[in-house]
Amino acid sequence: QVQVVESGGGVVQPGRSLRLSCAASGFSFSNYAMYWVRQAPGKGLEWVAIIWHDGSKTYYADSVKGRFTISRDNSKNTLYLQMNSLRAEDTAVYYCARDRGLKVRGIIIPTCFDYWGQGTLVTVSS
Amino acid sequence: EIVMTQSPATLSVSPGERATLSCRASQSVSINLGWYQQKPGQAPRLLIYGASTRATGIPARFSGSGSGTEFTLTISSLQSEDFAVYYCQQYNDWPRTFGQGTKVEIK
Repeated sequence: QVQVVESGGGVVQPGRSLRLSCAASGFSFSNYAMYWVRQAPGKGLEWVAIIWHDGSKTYYADSVKGRFTISRDNSKNTLYLQMNSLRAEDTAVYYCARDRGLKVRGIIIPTCFDYWGQGTLVTVSS
Repeated sequence: EIVMTQSPATLSVSPGERATLSCRASQSVSINLGWYQQKPGQAPRLLIYGASTRATGIPARFSGSGSGTEFTLTISSLQSEDFAVYYCQQYNDWPRTFGQGTKVEIK
């Protein structure tokens, strides 16, 4: 079955860096775009970043642009999120999610998030 | 950015009753809208995509409707496991945006 498992969360001081990983299994990882979505404690959901199935394109939320980098290693079925210059407001549970995708004339268009991991908590605090 | 607004913030419903949740987009998103359910301590789960198509394994009591800027999620007869927070999300444009959520609680 489809499974995505995040790791790498923890407590980090403001201004420091952290790298999250997401191990995927049960599907052809290299055929799917992947996302990071976060949820601050007691708050709603916020989309963070997307990477295309082949890594050719990435988009970011304005709140993390220039500080976070999404990447993937299709040979290892793993998604990453490199988080630099962390701020208190980055404190959240970070979810890895698969893109459901829609094939239009042979091109896969990103759509919504059809499978989610259980999340990993990142706490930015001194 | 497209702003998604959900109403009401909290919905109190008795088991077996019908629940109707609303989601409004600040500009048209066509039918590029999904609904998610999230229970405490769990990850969100996709319920509906394309505004009205149930995701794999989702019971028929969940239905979605709407297009453009107005959308509705209906739960026809609430079961105990349906008490949760529900989010709408547009995927018509970047950045992807979510509504603030509607909490469905037991009356």
